[in-house]
Amino acid sequence: GENVGLHLPTLSVQEGDNSIINCAYSNSASDYFIWYKQESGKGPQFIIDIRSNMDKRQGQRVTVLLNKTVKHLSLQIAATQPGDSAVYFCAGITQGGSEKLVFGKGTKLTVNP
Amino acid sequence: NAGVTQTPKFQVLKTGQSMTLQCAQDMNHEYMSWYRQDPGMGLRLIHYSVGAGITDQGEVPNGYNVSRSTTEDFPLRLLSAAPSQTSVYFCASSYSVGRLQPQHFGDGTRLSIL
Repeated sequence: GENVGLHLPTLSVQEGDNSIINCAYSNSASDYFIWYKQESGKGPQFIIDIRSNMDKRQGQRVTVLLNKTVKHLSLQIAATQPGDSAVYFCAGITQGGSEKLVFGKGTKLTVNP
Repeated sequence: NAGVTQTPKFQVLKTGQSMTLQCAQDMNHEYMSWYRQDPGMGLRLIHYSVGAGITDQGEVPNGYNVSRSTTEDFPLRLLSAAPSQTSVYFCASSYSVGRLQPQHFGDGTRLSIL
């Protein structure tokens, strides 16, 4: 199965700085990874995804890096804003099975003005 | 589109009571699932369905039942509520099985068992 975890439970940054949230996984057969953002009282919201045949993918202000050699992925947020304050989850999935997502425990990002 | 809609948003039950958490999606998604979220535990999969009439167990299925009679609805039933089932429950859906794509989540049902 997949085991996905976060390196740090909390991260505090200054507004305008770049944020990096890390995640490690255990199943080398994992095909697909997703980053979710969860604000207080809300459900997880999709941010960006990456397939195992890629090592980098960019979105608006966000970049996900995947290092399959060390089974590690990271979410980079450029010019972090107060609205980025939330809990961030990585999740992994292995194709060909039941499409079960396995979530890490989450990192709480706090952006200080 | 409403996306994934969960009802109720909040519920308080007494130990031993039963109830059904509702989940509906209007995106014609084949895949639907239920997760529970506890402090420090992340999201854990309870049950999932790959299409109408098909359900299967996730990581923590005990004490919960599901059914999928239509594509749109995927209710979660607590047969005899226990304090250990106090949690926030999230329903999610995605377009189809076999395509790697993100699941879309509802805003959750906050359930307290006294």
